[in-house]
Amino acid sequence: AQKVTQTQTSISVMEKTTVTMDCVYETQDSSYFLFWYKQTASGEIVFLIRQDSYKKENATVGHYSLNFQKPKSSIGLIITATQIEDSAVYFCAMREIDYGNEKITFGAGTKLTIKP
Amino acid sequence: NAGVIQTPRHKVTGKGQEATLWCEPISGHSAVFWYRQTIVQGLEFLTYFRNQAPIDDSGMPKERFSAQMPNQSHSTLKIQSTQPQDSAVYLCASSLGLGVNYAEQFFGPGTRLTVL
Repeated sequence: AQKVTQTQTSISVMEKTTVTMDCVYETQDSSYFLFWYKQTASGEIVFLIRQDSYKKENATVGHYSLNFQKPKSSIGLIITATQIEDSAVYFCAMREIDYGNEKITFGAGTKLTIKP
Repeated sequence: NAGVIQTPRHKVTGKGQEATLWCEPISGHSAVFWYRQTIVQGLEFLTYFRNQAPIDDSGMPKERFSAQMPNQSHSTLKIQSTQPQDSAVYLCASSLGLGVNYAEQFFGPGTRLTVL
């Protein structure tokens, strides 16, 4: 069974700084996908970025990047030049690659507050 | 493009009543997923369909919960004899297709179910 753990319940940083959110996962599979989603105050869940386990390069999308350390089963999210609108709850998630095993397992979430 | 549509956005039922939740996936997406979000349990997988066929219902409570996908444009989640512990936000998500290029799931706004 898959498990995703986010130990940081909440983080608060100043605007325009860089923040890193931690996530570790457990799986028996050799190949899998890792995701980060963001849930805004309105409840909307938005896909941010994805890492394929078989790729060594860290994924980057806009001001989001990942720190993927496969030997440590770790996938950290890095947000650079943070903005007020980045305030949200961030979920780390994973799923298997195989057809028929597409459900996503989510972590508990990290609440990020960006202060002006 | 419209995103995933869920109706109603809010539903209040009395204990013992039936609740039906509707989801319209993004046009062209072949997989539909149902999740439930509560403060205590977080985001939990319930069930999913691919090309309208049920693939995995391992997260569904065995009694009172059922899901269907009668056509490619909508899916329903039905809860019979609702109980207060069923109160949650029920989220529908869809994804485009099979293969590594379609791993992301895109979420609807959710239906907040309150059972009194």
